[in-house]
Amino acid sequence: AQSVTQLGSHVSVSEGALVLLRCNYSSSVPPYLFWYVQYPNQGLQLLLKYTSAATLVKGINGFEAEFKKSETSFHLTKPSAHMSDAAEYFCAVKNTGNQFYFGTGTSLTVIP
Amino acid sequence: DAGVIQSPRHEVTEMGQEVTLRCKPISGHNSLFWYRQTMMRGLELLIYFNNNVPIDDSGMPEDRFSAKMPNASFSTLKIQPSEPRDSAVYFCASSQQGGETQYFGPGTRLLVL
Repeated sequence: AQSVTQLGSHVSVSEGALVLLRCNYSSSVPPYLFWYVQYPNQGLQLLLKYTSAATLVKGINGFEAEFKKSETSFHLTKPSAHMSDAAEYFCAVKNTGNQFYFGTGTSLTVIP
Repeated sequence: DAGVIQSPRHEVTEMGQEVTLRCKPISGHNSLFWYRQTMMRGLELLIYFNNNVPIDDSGMPEDRFSAKMPNASFSTLKIQPSEPRDSAVYFCASSQQGGETQYFGPGTRLLVL
């Protein structure tokens, strides 16, 4: 069975500081992994995805994530937080079918 | 492309009333998903369709909920009768079958009084 675990439902960082949002997955097959971002009162937007190509994936808005099979992790990072990064972030895994499994989300607060 | 379109964006209704949420997927996408998002339970998959056929409805909470996809460009999620605990944001998403990415609509914020 596939699942994702997001450690930390709330993360606060200072503007300009490193952003690190953690995601660990469970999958019986090589997974497709995703990070989505949700701004207030909006739907989810794709931030980046891993589909078995390069293990370091670059996404929009300066975010990137690294797939580490040995750690079953897909943590999301950004070197320098911006106020506009404040949002809810969801990690997701997709199986070979069509079904996505989303984590419970991490709310990112950026402190000026 | 206009993206996934959902209507209405907001719905306020009274307990016992019927509620119908609508979704138009991205043209060319043949998989459609309905999700519910609440503070308590996060994002839950309710049902998804491939080529207009329901594949997995195990997430539908109870018989009060039903979903249809009469054609490739339209789907509805109906709640009858509605209850206050149904208050949530309902998202529709679409993807190409076997595709890697789901694209989400803006959601319908439902409040049942």
